[in-house]
Amino acid sequence: QQQVRQSPQSLTVWEGETAILNCSYEDSTFDYFPWYHQFPGESPALLIAIRPVSNKKEDGRFTIFFNKREKKFSLHIADSQPGDSATYFCAASALNAGGSNAKLTFGKGTKLSVKS
Amino acid sequence: GPKVLQIPSHQIIDMGQMVTLNCDPVSNHLYFYWYKQILGQQMEFLVNFYNGKVMEKSKLFKDQFSVERPDGSYFTLKIQPTALEDSAVYFCASSFDRNAEQFFGPGTRLTVL
Repeated sequence: QQQVRQSPQSLTVWEGETAILNCSYEDSTFDYFPWYHQFPGESPALLIAIRPVSNKKEDGRFTIFFNKREKKFSLHIADSQPGDSATYFCAASALNAGGSNAKLTFGKGTKLSVKS
Repeated sequence: GPKVLQIPSHQIIDMGQMVTLNCDPVSNHLYFYWYKQILGQQMEFLVNFYNGKVMEKSKLFKDQFSVERPDGSYFTLKIQPTALEDSAVYFCASSFDRNAEQFFGPGTRLTVL
């Protein structure tokens, strides 16, 4: 059972456009939704994260939109740059559901290419 | 920023052999994790570790798997014996506490022949 679904698998946008990456989840106990990006040969790194107390989180050109009712969240990358080309992973975790450690459940990733 | 190191970056072994994957977590972090990623698939949680103990493990964490962090050195994942389906990239992560950001290493690509 795939608990976090991510689409599209790959995405190509032109420099300056907004890239939109989508994720959905099934587990209602999830309460933390990070996005990681990974450049070839490097570690996945946290880009931005949201908790469902709000439905939007912005950090510069990166914005997460969160829809609790539909169990969906998306990453919008405004004014995309060639340097944004990477693989982006959404994830979810149930921080408040108990247990000692918060495991992340990942989507399959979106390979983003930004062309100039 | 804080870095998690993993050694080796690539390991090729014959089926049935033992392998140990090493992780050097961020120095003041207390929580440690292993994730497995098969080619083309998502990263999947294997196990987490705190205060010298496994706190939670997934069904992917088979009996042939074990983890330890002796005397604050490397956090290790040992597979004994290995099987063909163990071929994957294994990512180590660490965090300061359970609610904090998890920092990932670059992964160890394990190939079992």
